[in-house]
Amino acid sequence: EIVLTQSPGTLSLSPGEGATLSCRASQNVSSRFLAWYQQNPGQAPRLLIYGASSRAAGIPDRFSGDGSGTAFTLTISRLEPEDFAVYYCQQYGRSRTFGQGTKVEIK
Amino acid sequence: EVQLLESGGNLVQPGGSLRLSCAASGFTFSSYAMSWVRQAPGKGLEWASSISGSGSSPYYADSVKGRFTISRDNSKNTLYLQMNSLRAEDTAVYYCAKDAGFAALRSYFHLWGQGILVTVSS
Repeated sequence: EIVLTQSPGTLSLSPGEGATLSCRASQNVSSRFLAWYQQNPGQAPRLLIYGASSRAAGIPDRFSGDGSGTAFTLTISRLEPEDFAVYYCQQYGRSRTFGQGTKVEIK
Repeated sequence: EVQLLESGGNLVQPGGSLRLSCAASGFTFSSYAMSWVRQAPGKGLEWASSISGSGSSPYYADSVKGRFTISRDNSKNTLYLQMNSLRAEDTAVYYCAKDAGFAALRSYFHLWGQGILVTVSS
């Protein structure tokens, strides 16, 4: 099983600041089969990024993804109030596993 | 508009059974694999099971294999999850999710339902 480790566990930032979230895999994630999801409290997750760097439909361009192999990042260029949420990475190259999540909270 | 609506959640005793349903609308249901993803209270996301668009290929996480059965009725645009031998650790919100492709392999979760709570407790 591919284990995904996200860091940091919690990120405390102010609106307008940038955020960089990390996702590291225990094994190579083939063909960049990595996605990112956003989950607000009490809501279902929402797809942000697939294929490591492709934005899903309707996702603002302040969200960007990058990486390959075992190291991936999600960058939010300027935090809007609705961006304070929990973010999960997920690999789908070999079965499907999620990271434990990074919470982006208001400082 | 694409909609996924889960139903069937309830309080059940350990060892009991429950069947979840997910009614889909707004897309060609049979063209897409479908999945169940669960989230224990206060915890992260865990993939549970997926099924191909035709229904011929089911897949399970080790944690539910042998106890849960995924199925679909493409004539009714409905996904199911039959859960048997339920344990306390199966307590979670269960989300129905539409995959990005037909095969339930190498596919991310494109759209999610709102989720349904299953509580396993005596």
